[in-house]
Parts: sequence; structure tokens; C-alpha cells
Amino acid sequence: EVQLVESGGGLVQPGRSMKLSCAASGFTFSNYGMAWVRQAPKKGLEWVAYISYDGGSTYYRDPVKGRFTISRDNAKSTLYLQMDSLRSEDTATYYCTTPPFDYWGQGVMVTVSS
Amino acid sequence: DIVLTQAPLSVSVTPGESASISCRSSKSLLSSKGITSLYWYLQKPGKSPQLLIYRMSNLASGVPDRFSGSGSETDFTLKISKVETEDVGVYYCAQFLEYPRTFGGGTKLELK
Repeated sequence: EVQLVESGGGLVQPGRSMKLSCAASGFTFSNYGMAWVRQAPKKGLEWVAYISYDGGSTYYRDPVKGRFTISRDNAKSTLYLQMDSLRSEDTATYYCTTPPFDYWGQGVMVTVSS
Repeated sequence: DIVLTQAPLSVSVTPGESASISCRSSKSLLSSKGITSLYWYLQKPGKSPQLLIYRMSNLASGVPDRFSGSGSETDFTLKISKVETEDVGVYYCAQFLEYPRTFGGGTKLELK
């Protein structure tokens, strides 16, 4: 059974950093690209970033380029999202997912507020 | 960026009746490989989204055949026949033709 378990969320002040993790199991993690999708409170879904199976290619939505970094450790079957210079508009539930988003984690809440 | 526009914003359906949701793309989603990269998801209340339809008209694993997807290069429809109580939630379309991946704004399905 495929499982994606996010961790690392919480309350953070504007301008600070936070790193999310997603532990994957039930499939050969190193064979698949991975992505982060977020959802602001009471809002719709928003794709954030993608990383290829080997980490050789990454893509980001424009508002997070230069602030967020997606990475992976295939030996640990873990996906990461390093978020720097956080803004209030980054407040959302962040989901780890396997493109084309056929498996999702339970999500982790990130609140950016002073 | 490719803009996906869903309609209606919400739909109220009597159990057992059908419902249709529209998704219109600002650009053709037909790739050079002949694949139409339009996907449908359902987010039930308090849950993570789940994949319903991939590549416009293919039913994802475990999804009841009450769900069906159709469309052209820019206009797409999700149809739910014989709506059941478990179908309540917000439906999203998404495109996988190019980056950034984009979602429609969502359509909330409620029961009468």
C-alpha cells in the first residue's frame, strides 16, 4: 500500500524558514517524480513544485521560485520542501503527491504569522 | 500559464440523479503525442484529494463507473450518473500539459 506521510509543519514568523518532509513507502520511490501541492484555508488546490525521479530536474511556481527548494533522498525514500523567506500568503496545507497526483499524503499545515 | 475555468461553482443534486461539471482550458491540452492531459479530482470534506479521471476520459483505479470524463482539446466535462451521498465534495480539474501545473477553481457538489 502506498503511503505518503508529511511532517514538519507548524507556526512560523514571516521571513523565517521551515522544512517539510514526506516519508514514502509502498512503492519504489526512486523511480518516480514527486510534487508538492498546497491549499490555503478555504481555497483551492495550487501546485507548488516538482522534482524528477533522480532529482535532476525541478520546477516551481513563480511566486516561490528562489524561496522554496524541493529535494529528495532516494536512500531514505523521503521528499523535502525547504521554504525560506516565508510570507503570509504561504499559509496553507501542504500535500506531498505522486504525479499525476494519484497518491496524496494527509497534508501538513503551515501557518505564517507574527 | 494555462487557465482552467470550472462551472458551475456549486451544484446541488438529488441522490440518484446525474450531475455534470465543466472545465474550460485557455489552451489546447492535446499534446504532440496525442494525449489530452486533463485530470479530474475529488476532495471529500476534511480529506486529501483523490484522482478520479486521467487523460480526459480514463477511470482511475477503484473509481466507480458512475464517473466519466469527456471533452475536446479545450472543453471538458465530468459526469456523475446516479449521484450517491459519498460523492459530496469539491471537484477539481487539472492540466499536466506544461508547467506550472494548474487547477481549476473547483466545483462544490452538494445533495438536495
